[in-house]
Amino acid sequence: SQQGEEDPQALSIQEGENATMNCSYKTSINNLQWYRQNSGRGLVHLILIRSNEREKHSGRLRVTLDTSKKSSSLLITASRAADTASYFCATDSGGSNYKLTFGKGTLLTVNP
Amino acid sequence: GAGVSQSPSNKVTEKGKDVELRCDPISGHTALYWYRQRLGQGLEFLIYFQGNSAPDKSGLPSDRFSAERTGESVSTLTIQRTQQEDSAVYLCASSSRAHRDKPRETQYFGPGTRLLVL
Repeated sequence: SQQGEEDPQALSIQEGENATMNCSYKTSINNLQWYRQNSGRGLVHLILIRSNEREKHSGRLRVTLDTSKKSSSLLITASRAADTASYFCATDSGGSNYKLTFGKGTLLTVNP
Repeated sequence: GAGVSQSPSNKVTEKGKDVELRCDPISGHTALYWYRQRLGQGLEFLIYFQGNSAPDKSGLPSDRFSAERTGESVSTLTIQRTQQEDSAVYLCASSSRAHRDKPRETQYFGPGTRLLVL
C-alpha cells in the first residue's frame, strides 16, 4: 500500500506562478523526500527533509514538514515550462535498509 | 560520473515467457533497490540489497519474481512465466555516497525498463 498520498493528483499553472503540492503519510518517519519524474522514466532526487526539521529550501524549492499532521508540502516558485513533470513524495521509516515508500504523485503542467 | 544504468530500455514479451532485467548501480554504492511502477501509479518497493547481507525480499509480489546481485555490482531481476499484470516500468536505484546536500538516504535512480507483456 502507498504510504504517501499526494494532492492534487494533477495541477496546471501558468509559467511564473507558484506551484504547491501536498503529501500526507500514515506512520512515523525518519525523513521525507521529494522526487521528480519526467515522462515515466527515472526519478531525480530533489530534496530531503528530516523528521526534526520543519522547513528546507533548495533554489526555487521550499519544503515544509509537519510531523503532527503527518504532512509535507513542496512549493516551486516562479515556475517554468521545464518544471512540467510528476512529483512524488517518499517516506523513509528508518532502520537499516532505507526503504522508501512512494505516493502516487502529482502531475504538474506548467503552461508557457 | 556515470549514473545508474538499466537494460533493456524496453522489453515486449509474450505471456508465459521469462524475462531478465539488468541494473548497473553507481560504482561504490553498496545499496541497491528494485521498484515497480504501474501506469499512473507511484513506485512499489520490490527488493533491497545491502552489501553481503541477506536481501530484503518483502516487496516481491509472487514467487515468479526473483533477483540476484553479485557483491556490490550488477543486479538482475527475473520474472518467470510473465503475466499481463507484470506490465510496468521497473526501476533500479542505488545509494551509498553522502555529501553535504545529498545524505546517504538519497537514492539515485536508473532510467527504468519498460516491460510490456502481451
